[in-house]
This record gives sequence, structure tokens and C-alpha cells, in this order.
Amino acid sequence: DQQVKQNSPSLSVQEGRISILNCDYTNSMFDYFLWYKKYPAEGPTFLISISSIKDKNEDGRFTVFLNKSAKHLSLHIVPSQPGDSAVYFCAAADSGTYKYIFGTGTRLKVLA
Amino acid sequence: KAGVTQTPRYLIKTRGQQVTLSCSPISGHRSVSWYQQTPGQGLQFLFEYFSETQRNKGNFPGRFSGRQFSNSRSEMNVSTLELGDSALYLCASSAGAELNEQFFGPGTRLTVL
Repeated sequence: DQQVKQNSPSLSVQEGRISILNCDYTNSMFDYFLWYKKYPAEGPTFLISISSIKDKNEDGRFTVFLNKSAKHLSLHIVPSQPGDSAVYFCAAADSGTYKYIFGTGTRLKVLA
Repeated sequence: KAGVTQTPRYLIKTRGQQVTLSCSPISGHRSVSWYQQTPGQGLQFLFEYFSETQRNKGNFPGRFSGRQFSNSRSEMNVSTLELGDSALYLCASSAGAELNEQFFGPGTRLTVL
């Protein structure tokens, strides 16, 4: 079963606008969440994380929001830049199992 | 500080053969996880090691195995290769015993003919 879902396989956004990537999860035991960016022929690069005790975490242009009641997290990129074009993966983990579950990814294209 | 390295970067094997992939984590990192990435499937968790002990494993057949050495380097072995094992195999390391961000290597692209 897919415990972490990214329902939008792709997203296109104009340069300078906000990009919002969404992720849903089903396992209420998940207590740590991460976002990664992946370029072709490279391994994923860590972007930002959030633990379940918080509902928001910011790092520069990247902000992650966590809604535990809805089992939903989102990544906001403001402003979006052409270099942000990549595949974005969300991941969730249960601190009791040390197991990270990844979504299937969303391909973001930022148009100049 | 050097990143996660994986060798080899590319590998071509035939069905029935076996393969061993290697991962060297970031210096000081003691946790190593392995993932399989195939188109449309995202990253599928294989197993995680910490201080030479496997702490968790994913839903893969017993043909997939791994180990971790005392210097935290890890190897993954796949026996009796099948066509469906063709994938990008990614290794990730993280610092400690608790959940932290994982840092990924570039992956090994395995093609099974």
C-alpha cells in the first residue's frame, strides 16, 4: 500500500510565482517528514524537514507546512526560479522503525 | 567533507547472475539505508543499517541482502538477478541513531539483460 502519496505527477509554474507541492500520508505513526529535490542522474538532495511537534518550518525560499489532522504536508517555494525545475519527493518516517517512506514524486517545471 | 559515494555507477548483468553494490557514507555517519528507484514507483525502501545491525527492512524478496562493516561502509547484494531488478539503487547516510535528514549518493544504475 502507498502510505505516502503525491497525487500530482507534474506541476508547471511561472518564474517568480509560488510553487506548492502536496503530499498526503496515511500512517498516523509518522512523526518526521522531509522534502527532497532530484535532478536526472543524481541522487536526491535534502531540502527541508519538519517534525510532528511543529506545523511549519522555513528555510529561505522553502517552507514546509504540516497538517497532522488532515495527514497532509506541503512545500511552498517562493519565489520560484528556473533552477528549481526538478522532481520533488516527500518522505515520512516513524521514529520507532527508522524507515523512510517516499512518495512517487512531483515533477516541477518553472517557466522563464 | 566528502559526500556519499557509490560504486560502481553503472552495471550491466544478465539474468541469473548476482551483483554487489558498495556505499561509503559521509564520514561520521553511522546509518546507511538502501533504496530502489524505478520509473513510476518512487524510492522503495530496501533496508537500513546502524552500527553493523539491520534495524529495518522493506518488502523485497530474500534475494536482496545487505551488510554494514565496522567503518560504516555498506554493501548490497542481489542474487539470481531478474529483468525486473533493473533500477537505480540509491544509498543514503545519516548521522546518528535517531531520525535525521538522509544524504544520498549518486546511485548505481543496474541493467539486467
